[in-house]
Amino acid sequence: EAGVTQFPSHSVIEKGQTVTLRCDPISGHDNLYWYRRVMGKEIKFLLHFVKESKQDESGMPNNRFLAERTGGTYSTLKVQPAELEDSGVYFCASSQDRVWWTEAFFGQGTRLTVV
Amino acid sequence: TQLLEQSPQFLSIQEGENLTVYCNSSSVFSSLQWYRQEPGEGPVLLVTVVTGGEVKKLKRLTFQFGDARKDSSLHITAAQPGDTGLYLCAGGPEADTDKLIFGTGTRLQVFP
Repeated sequence: EAGVTQFPSHSVIEKGQTVTLRCDPISGHDNLYWYRRVMGKEIKFLLHFVKESKQDESGMPNNRFLAERTGGTYSTLKVQPAELEDSGVYFCASSQDRVWWTEAFFGQGTRLTVV
Repeated sequence: TQLLEQSPQFLSIQEGENLTVYCNSSSVFSSLQWYRQEPGEGPVLLVTVVTGGEVKKLKRLTFQFGDARKDSSLHITAAQPGDTGLYLCAGGPEADTDKLIFGTGTRLQVFP
């Protein structure tokens, strides 16, 4: 069974450009999460989808970040325009049920560098 | 804001030694998870503890949740080079959310 897959693995963009990160969850997992780790800091929650609906987006830093999950399958996280402080590793995770009932599986992450 | 402090931040030991990693907070968590992360990969769940005072063992790893559900520890017996990695605790979820609060991490290096 394929795990959580994220694209691209690495992205280097200039300040002001747009970047779109993609996450393919494990098939059948209704719950999809985005987290990120900025340099020297702990991993922090961004948002949670249940199917195509945003269940919790309290961790989204500002309106330059837009997450979508069309059809309840893969998800995209767009950063527009990117700023230097957006650099970090963005993780996606998926779970079959709520995280206190079942395990969440993480992707390998997308390392975003804004120069 | 709930925070989880891990100590030590870095740990370098020889194969065969024992070690303990601590995860502390002033907040109460409904559960506590431990993950291990290797370079270029995402965190992988090791264990979830949900009851105050709970102890779980996974081969040479022993996990304990504090009685007050504010802290946890991970003890590794006879560490091996394969135990090398970043260990993360994560508390949660917060009430009515699925948000996990991650700790600051402990980077472990086990030398042969």
